[in-house]
Amino acid sequence: AQKITQTQPGMFVQEKEAVTLDCTYDTSDQSYGLFWYKQPSSGEMIFLIYQGSYDEQNATEGRYSLNFQKARKSANLVISASQLGDSAMYFCAMSRPWSTGRRALTFGSGTRLQVQP
Amino acid sequence: NAGVTQTPKFRVLKTGQSMTLLCAQDMNHEYMYWYRQDPGMGLRLIHYSVGEGTTAKGEVPDGYNVSRLKKQNFLLGLESAAPSQTSVYFCASSYGLAAITDTQYFGPGTRLTVL
Repeated sequence: AQKITQTQPGMFVQEKEAVTLDCTYDTSDQSYGLFWYKQPSSGEMIFLIYQGSYDEQNATEGRYSLNFQKARKSANLVISASQLGDSAMYFCAMSRPWSTGRRALTFGSGTRLQVQP
Repeated sequence: NAGVTQTPKFRVLKTGQSMTLLCAQDMNHEYMYWYRQDPGMGLRLIHYSVGEGTTAKGEVPDGYNVSRLKKQNFLLGLESAAPSQTSVYFCASSYGLAAITDTQYFGPGTRLTVL
């Protein structure tokens, strides 16, 4: 079964510092995708960054980067220069090939990040 | 370009009442999804659609029905609401071009309480 594990229920970081949110996954698929979403207190789910299992380089999007270690099955999100607006819940998610018949993303339970001034 | 919108944002129902949640997207996406989010459980797929006129069951379809009469709209219906359906409902859409890279974009959510 596919599973996403986020072991940090809550994290604190000082404004302007970098923070790493952990995500480990379990899958038997050869190809898969890994996503990070941000959910602020207002409730919407905002797509941040994507990494494909065959991508050799770590994905980056502005202040977000994904530290992908395939052998360890980890896909940690790194936020550089944290801002107060980064305070939110962060979800790691995984996609599967459609040949499996599965269309849903598998989500982790999330990490609540609080940025302190 | 509004992205994915959901109507209503909040709703309170009594057990046994029915309602329809509306999702609309203006990104010309083929695929649309309905998820529910419960505390500590992440998001779980209820139903999805791979194109106009098609629907399919997800992980937790019982008690829900869906329809996709127009490409841009995806409706989620509760025929007889139960307290176990108290949740936050998210609609999402995607291009559906390639499986593992297919990014899903979410709406703002609907918070439903069933008394």
